[in-house]
Amino acid sequence: GNSVTQMEGPVTLSEEAFLTINCTYTATGYPSLFWYVQYPGEGLQLLLKATKADDKGSNKGFEATYRKETTSFHLEKGSVQVSDSAVYFCALTESNQGGKLIFGQGTELSVKP
Amino acid sequence: EAGVAQSPRYKIIEKRQSVAFWCNPISGHATLYWYQQILGQGPKLLIQFQNNGVVDDSQLPKDRFSAERLKGVDSTLKIQPAKLEDSAVYLCASSLNGPGLNTEAFFGQGTRLTVV
Repeated sequence: GNSVTQMEGPVTLSEEAFLTINCTYTATGYPSLFWYVQYPGEGLQLLLKATKADDKGSNKGFEATYRKETTSFHLEKGSVQVSDSAVYFCALTESNQGGKLIFGQGTELSVKP
Repeated sequence: EAGVAQSPRYKIIEKRQSVAFWCNPISGHATLYWYQQILGQGPKLLIQFQNNGVVDDSQLPKDRFSAERLKGVDSTLKIQPAKLEDSAVYLCASSLNGPGLNTEAFFGQGTRLTVV
């Protein structure tokens, strides 16, 4: 079945450091891929998405490129801020699944000043 | 635009008791989801409604969990009787999805359930 695997956390970085959170997926068809973010005490929010191979999703300085050949959707940011501290979830949905999301286990990011 | 509303935010119950969670989706959203998020894991879909019909409940433990969506709007998720392993955050989400249309899911803040 479909699944998503993320790198284990927690990830601790200093402010202005470069961030990469790895995400790989297994899918039977052609999924759409997402990154969601969960700030402390808040609900899940969509950060960015990509719906087909080679698409790049971007938002708030974060980027991720849909790589079909490596079944990956790694999240990157060039310079993190303390306010980026949160839990990040990679997820996928297939077009015939009615919007059902399959999530990875989440990666906690902590950014220190 | 108002977001997805859930209540209560927190609930502590003893095992074998029953509990109910309520969700009010974004107005006009046809699809409603209930996810279970156990500490340290990603959310897992329990049940998906399209209007007031069930689309997918394959991961719902039907011996103890039940859910309904009244008139295709609000939804209630019930657990009876609760077990210790039901301790989790229960997330409600909604989207505009329709046939052949996948749109963004918006999540509520969740209900944190602790079973003691």
